[in-house]
Amino acid sequence: EAGVTQFPSHSVIEKGQTVTLRCDPISGHDNLYWYRRVMGKEIKFLLHFVKESKQDESGMPNNRFLAERTGGTYSTLKVQPAELEDSGVYFCASSRDSLFNEKLFFGSGTQLSVL
Amino acid sequence: GDSVTQMEGPVTLSEEAFLTINCTYTATGYPSLFWYVQYPGEGLQLLLKATKADDKGSNKGFEATYRKETTSFHLEKGSVQVSDSAVYFCALRGGATNKLIFGTGTLLAVQP
Repeated sequence: EAGVTQFPSHSVIEKGQTVTLRCDPISGHDNLYWYRRVMGKEIKFLLHFVKESKQDESGMPNNRFLAERTGGTYSTLKVQPAELEDSGVYFCASSRDSLFNEKLFFGSGTQLSVL
Repeated sequence: GDSVTQMEGPVTLSEEAFLTINCTYTATGYPSLFWYVQYPGEGLQLLLKATKADDKGSNKGFEATYRKETTSFHLEKGSVQVSDSAVYFCALRGGATNKLIFGTGTLLAVQP
């Protein structure tokens, strides 16, 4: 079974540019999550999809961030325009259910550097 | 709101040393507690979990006990190996929110 895959693994862009991160969850997992770790701090929740619907987007930092999950399969997270403080590692995770003791499967993350 | 506090790293140990990484939490209700590990170049992996008070999670020689009275979930291993070098994250879920809430992570470096 393929795991959660994320593209690209690294992205270096200049301030003001646009970047799109992609996440392919495990097949059959309706729940998809985005998290971010900024420079040695805690990993913070960004948002949660159930199929194609946004269940919880309370962690999205501002309107420069747009997440989509068309068709309930893969998801994209677009940052436009990128700012220096957006640098960090963006993790995607998926799960079959959303029970609180459910195991989340994480991707390897996208390291985003905004210069 | 819910939060997790874990000891700052890096923690540097010699092979076969005893490991403790402290983790305490603040949460309403009865959350599940987790330890995730990130090996170099890889994604986060669930190491172990405990879903109720006094439960002990264990995996790969690591253990952690859910202590409600001290709101703690300390990670321990009796004899670490070089291959245990990684970043360890304590997390909770199911307190005030269904979100997985992480601590800041602790870098463990094990030297031969």
